[in-house]
Amino acid sequence: QQKVQQSPESLTVSEGAMASLNCTFSDGTSDNFRWYRQHSGKGLEVLVSIFSDGEKEEGRFTAHLNRASLHVSLHIREPQPSDSAVYLCAMSIPRIFFGDGTQLVVKP
Amino acid sequence: DMKVTQMPRYLIKRMGENVLLECGQDMSHETMYWYRQDPGLGLQLIYISYDVDSNSEGDIPKGYRVSRKKREHFSLILDSAKTNQTSVYFCASSFRGDTEVFFGKGTRLTVV
Repeated sequence: QQKVQQSPESLTVSEGAMASLNCTFSDGTSDNFRWYRQHSGKGLEVLVSIFSDGEKEEGRFTAHLNRASLHVSLHIREPQPSDSAVYLCAMSIPRIFFGDGTQLVVKP
Repeated sequence: DMKVTQMPRYLIKRMGENVLLECGQDMSHETMYWYRQDPGLGLQLIYISYDVDSNSEGDIPKGYRVSRKKREHFSLILDSAKTNQTSVYFCASSFRGDTEVFFGKGTRLTVV
């Protein structure tokens, strides 16, 4: 069973519209989650780290964690075409498990 | 400057040749990783290193070995490369196993 599952696989939004990405995980003991972004042909960069239930904001990126429902989400406010990338959810228990990613396309 | 550096960035090898991928980090991180990334399969952990000469297999270690003789340097070795090892390989490091992971830019390996 994959420990971290992401949805949707791909998402297209218009510039300025909110983008919402989801991640469900199978291990409720973790309190260590991160969202990473990967532009095409590049390495991964961390966007937001969240360690407790609730909300964590980093600029235009907001993560919501609800461990009871085994769910963490990422919301991107006012997305821009430069935000087009693959977004990966990661859970540490403490070994890190990555989801397979959501391909986000932001249309001008 | 916090950085993970991978060399080379692109590599083409013939089947059966030996391959050496090198990775360095300047953050004195204890933990280093090698992943491969393939379309539809996401990031797959090959090996993890907790410090010098303290290496553990990840999820797909077969066909690979690693070497970590200095904390800042972690090598991935493919003895007799196979075509199914064509992939993008990422090196990464973190202070500990549960802290933020810093990734290199990747090495695109093609085995023909």
